[in-house]
Amino acid sequence: GIQVEQSPPDLILQEGANSTLRCNFSDSVNNLQWFHQNPWGQLINLFYIPSGTKQNGRLSATTVATERYSLLYISSSQTTDSGVYFCAGYMNTGFQKLVFGTGTRLLVSP
Amino acid sequence: GAGVSQSPSNKVTEKGKDVELRCDPISGHTALYWYRQSLGQGLEFLIYFQGNSAPDKSGLPSDRFSAERTGGSVSTLTIQRTQQEDSAVYLCASSLYLAEGYEQYFGPGTRLTVT
Repeated sequence: GIQVEQSPPDLILQEGANSTLRCNFSDSVNNLQWFHQNPWGQLINLFYIPSGTKQNGRLSATTVATERYSLLYISSSQTTDSGVYFCAGYMNTGFQKLVFGTGTRLLVSP
Repeated sequence: GAGVSQSPSNKVTEKGKDVELRCDPISGHTALYWYRQSLGQGLEFLIYFQGNSAPDKSGLPSDRFSAERTGGSVSTLTIQRTQQEDSAVYLCASSLYLAEGYEQYFGPGTRLTVT
């Protein structure tokens, strides 16, 4: 089945709005990371968050490992937040690779 | 400090030709990964190197793909007899290897176009 699932697939916001992106992951995945892929294709690390809550400026993330989900919060969105947000986790099978979700495409309009 | 670097940034090649893509990981990172991202898609794992251990090649899509890592640092991904379906962005990442988990850092990618 699907190992890492993200929602919503697409999101359009007005500048200044808040949003929540969700990542559900199967029990074969752990040690979540959140990335922002900017319009130039660069993957930027946002959070490495196996569990708990972290905050960095206008962004924060929470992972509830026992319930197999993670949330990324964006507050007071800016046009520069536009791009694709990916969550990814490591397989528990002993193979050290990240399994990526299909992403949430965010467009913040002025 | 310096991040992961990749070269070339763009590569256009004719079908049937061989290509080599290069990755310089972050200094001190023992683990190195290659991924592929097709247009509008997520990332697909290709291969993983950790120290002197045998690489995990489980994601390589065909025997036309190979990779090596020399001296535990620089890595080269080689695609032989390229096909149009090989067109994608090839991304390299590196990380420390820690028992408690490890964060991967990505390079800017090489955009490969096979005509």
